[in-house]
Amino acid sequence: EVQLVESGGSVIRPGGSLRLSCAASGFSIDDYGMSWVRQAPGKGLEWVSGINWDGGSIDYADSVKGRFTISRDIASNSLFLQMNSVRAEDSAFYFCARLRGSFYYYDYWGQGALVTVSS
Amino acid sequence: EIVLSQSPGTLSLSPGERVTLSCRASQGVSKNHVTWYQQKPGQSPRLLIYGTSSRATGIPDRFSGSGSGTDFTLSISRLEPEDFAVYYCQHYGTSRATFGQGTKVEIK
Repeated sequence: EVQLVESGGSVIRPGGSLRLSCAASGFSIDDYGMSWVRQAPGKGLEWVSGINWDGGSIDYADSVKGRFTISRDIASNSLFLQMNSVRAEDSAFYFCARLRGSFYYYDYWGQGALVTVSS
Repeated sequence: EIVLSQSPGTLSLSPGERVTLSCRASQGVSKNHVTWYQQKPGQSPRLLIYGTSSRATGIPDRFSGSGSGTDFTLSISRLEPEDFAVYYCQHYGTSRATFGQGTKVEIK
């Protein structure tokens, strides 16, 4: 059974750093592209960052470029999002999601990790 | 960057009614890369339709998708109580995804 479980959400002060984790099971993350998608409470979905199946292609939304870093660890089958210099507008639920190639859709999503940026 | 605009923002309907949701892209996109999701309060998005018109595993056939170019549609033939939710369209291109702002289907 495919599962994605995020962890690491917390309350953090503006300018601080946080690392989110997404533990995958039921498949190998080096067979799929993976992404982080966020959703501010009561708002819509916003793509944050993605990494392709072989790790050779990484991209970021303009809103987080230079501040967030996506990475993965094949041995632990985990995806990460390092968040630096966080701002109030980064407050959201952060979902990791598995990307299916050719049609490029997200077929599995985690339950989300809540990040609250507040002084 | 492609922008997806969904309309209407909110629909108030009764169970049994037919509903059509619109997703318009700011420029022409590949039919293969248009996806629809359903999201209920407190839950993660759920895949409904991929490649414009292919239903995901386990999705009832009352859900259907169509479209091409810049205009895409999600239809629900007869609303069931469990269909009241927010629906998002999504496009994937040049290594990033774009989501529409969502359409809320609420009970009238």
